Amino acid sequence: TQLLEQSPQFLSIQEGENLTVYCNSSSVFSSLQWYRQEPGEGPVLLVTVVTGGEVKKLKRLTFQFGDARKDSSLHITAAQPGDTGLYLCAGVGGAGGTSYGKLTFGQGTILTVHP
Amino acid sequence: DTGVSQDPRHKITKRGQNVTFRCDPISEHNRLYWYRQTLGQGPEFLTYFQNEAQLEKSRLLSDRFSAERPKGSFSTLEIQRTEQGDSAMYLCASTTLGTDTQYFGPGTRLTVL
Repeated sequence: TQLLEQSPQFLSIQEGENLTVYCNSSSVFSSLQWYRQEPGEGPVLLVTVVTGGEVKKLKRLTFQFGDARKDSSLHITAAQPGDTGLYLCAGVGGAGGTSYGKLTFGQGTILTVHP
Repeated sequence: DTGVSQDPRHKITKRGQNVTFRCDPISEHNRLYWYRQTLGQGPEFLTYFQNEAQLEKSRLLSDRFSAERPKGSFSTLEIQRTEQGDSAMYLCASTTLGTDTQYFGPGTRLTVL
């Protein structure tokens, strides 16, 4: 059972448009991460957010962590075809912040950016 | 540092056969994780090793699954008597104590016919 809900599951947009992906948890994790995964490859870490209210920017990507540390969003400005991929949020540590740093992933958002 | 490697990249097997996958983590990474990812879903945690000790196993890891990390370096994941429901991408990740950044391998895609 996934404890992290991502929305939307699919997103198909034109190059240059903006988009936001949401990640909501019923539990608090020690931190939350966003990954990007391309077909046939493993996920690659984009960012880790730890503090409630935190905002991090990575070029055209903006990540926000909710004050209660249960929700997060990924905003992409002026999307490009190279942004196409599967975007995953993941809670670090078990729900409630338990052991070993294992990741609990959302089901992912498949983003397609058309030229 | 060549990253996390997994072998094979693809495996096709018939139902009932046994399969074994290998993961070579980044050298000196003492933490190693196995995840399983089915189409359209995010990866799900299977098991965790710290050095050679298997410290956590998911309930997803039935008795047909066994994982080892005998010398605290590479790890193997064996599935006995494979079922069609085992078809998935099996991902390995490694990291070190004190950091939450996991480095994933490219995965082994298993197809059970």
